[in-house]
Amino acid sequence: DAGVTQSPTHLIKTRGQHVTLRCSPISGHKSVSWYQRVLGQGPQFIFQYYEKEERGRGNFPDRFSARQFPNYSSELNVNALLLGDSALYLCASSQDFTGGLYEQYFGPGTRLTVT
Amino acid sequence: SQQGEEDPQALSIQEGENATMNCSYKTSINNLQWYRQNSGRGLVHLILIRSNEREKHSGRLRVTLDTSKKSSSLLITASRAADTASYFCATGTHASGGSYIPTFGRGTSLIVHP
Repeated sequence: DAGVTQSPTHLIKTRGQHVTLRCSPISGHKSVSWYQRVLGQGPQFIFQYYEKEERGRGNFPDRFSARQFPNYSSELNVNALLLGDSALYLCASSQDFTGGLYEQYFGPGTRLTVT
Repeated sequence: SQQGEEDPQALSIQEGENATMNCSYKTSINNLQWYRQNSGRGLVHLILIRSNEREKHSGRLRVTLDTSKKSSSLLITASRAADTASYFCATGTHASGGSYIPTFGRGTSLIVHP
């Protein structure tokens, strides 16, 4: 079975541009979460979606947005990119979102570099 | 700021030895999870321990949770070179509306020498 897949693998953008990152969850998983990981830090929670609805939001500016599609895949959008947005963006899927009691499966991440 | 903080930041041991890493957190939690990340690979879930549990085992892994001290420990017994990885604790809290906010620490880098 395929695990969580993310695309693209690597991405280089310029300050002020917009970026869209994509994630496909494990088949049967209905919840997708997004994390940002910068060097030397653990993953920082950005969003969680379940059944196409936002169920959790971390402390990120409104430049960050996401959505989940009927097939449970998800997109993370970041507008007006800043140098500080350079990071590894991780997607994780789980069967459900209830209380975090479901194991999350992480994808390999998308490495975003903003120049 | 990080909710969970792992200690030590780095740990180097010989194969066969036990490895212990700790996680401290600041606010009340619903559960705590440990993850591993091998070099070049994604995060892998190891164990989830609920706030009403004190100890949990999975193979060579033993996790304890002390909610009075707001701390958890991960013990890897009889370590192997393949255990070389970064280990993260993640604490979970419920926000309004039923949402769940997971927070990861910075991780402990474990090196097991063959």
